Order: sequence, then structure tokens, then C-alpha cells
Amino acid sequence: AQSVTQLDSHVSVSEGTPVLLRCNYSSSYSPSLFWYVQHPNKGLQLLLKYTSAATLVKGINGFEAEFKKSETSFHLTKPSAHMSDAAEYFCVVRGNSGGYQKVTFGTGTKLQVIP
Amino acid sequence: KAGVTQTPRYLIKTRGQQVTLSCSPISGHRSVSWYQQTPGQGLQFLFEYFSETQRNKGNFPGRFSGRQFSNSRSEMNVSTLELGDSALYLCASSSKKDTSAQETQYFGPGTRLLVL
Repeated sequence: AQSVTQLDSHVSVSEGTPVLLRCNYSSSYSPSLFWYVQHPNKGLQLLLKYTSAATLVKGINGFEAEFKKSETSFHLTKPSAHMSDAAEYFCVVRGNSGGYQKVTFGTGTKLQVIP
Repeated sequence: KAGVTQTPRYLIKTRGQQVTLSCSPISGHRSVSWYQQTPGQGLQFLFEYFSETQRNKGNFPGRFSGRQFSNSRSEMNVSTLELGDSALYLCASSSKKDTSAQETQYFGPGTRLLVL
């Protein structure tokens, strides 16, 4: 079975402070993990991905995520939030299941950045 | 390279009608997947096409169907529309070489469908 849990539906931070968006997953196989961002009325944009290479993954716009197999986590972080980071963020797991790719999205975390 | 394009961007239909949505993948990408996004259910996988064949299907009724053409462009059709079909429909393409490959998906801007 494969699942993704985004632990917070809403996160609010002040501009210039760190961002932490939490994601836990379960998968029967070695999965690939992704973080996507969706701005209002827009499609999804890839922030970063983990595909069994380095466990610390750097993405666009200063975001990074660390794959921790022992904790089955893939939390997204950014040292300093910017107003333009306000959006909804989705953690995604992709894994092989019976020869097919199974894609599971988390329920999303809405990030609010307070000036 | 141009990104994934979807047409139309916005659509209003009434219950009982049918609708066709179109997706043009990134040039060279052979895999196209469709997703439905609603406030209540979040993002849900509809189906995936690779080389004109449906390779994977989510848990949606038969009213939802799709196809892929030889140029990798894909269409999604919903027949007998219901109010609950109102959603943002997202298309994603990837460059994977076979059905089991794990390649990054690139999403289009979506088609927002409103069923009245």
C-alpha cells in the first residue's frame, strides 16, 4: 500500500522566518518523492524530487527537503520565507505497483506568509 | 521548450451534457496523465496514457474516458455531467521511455470545469 500524509493543512509564518512543511509517506517499494507548489488558479510546479540519490535535495526558490527513510519523512524547508511563497504545497509519492506507476498526492498544505 | 498546454482553460456546462478536454504534452514526452482536483477530494488520479494506450486507471466511473493520439496529445471526455464533476482537471506529461520508468511529471495549468 502507498500513502502520503501531510501533517498540517495550514501553516502560517512571518516573512523572513523559516518554513517547515511536513510530509510522511508509506510505500511497499523504494519510492520517488516530490514536492509541488500550486499558486492560486495555476497548475502544479515541481519544487524538487528525491529519486534515491542524495538524501538532501535542493529545489528551486531556496527550498530543500531531506529524505529520512527511518522516519519515512520528506519534510520541505526554507530558511527564510518570502511573500511570494504563499501557495499550496503538495507532497507526492510515486512507486511501482504491479508493473505500473502509482501516484499518490498528499492533501496539501496551505502556506500563509505574514508581512 | 513549451510546457504542457491545456484547452480550454475554463468551461461551463450543464448537467447531462458531455465535455472534451485537450492536453498537449511537452515535445518528446510520451506519457500523459490526468488528474481531478476538488476542494473536498484533493488531487485524484484519473488515468495515464503511454504510446496511445491506457496504462493505468484510477477509481472513477466509466463516464470518464480518455485517449491519446499518435502525436502524444491526449483528450479526456466526461459524459452525462454531474454537479460533482465541477473541478480543476490537470494534465501532466513525462518523458519516460517505458511504462515502469519513474520520470518527473510536468503539469499544465489545468481546465476549470463548472457544471451547473
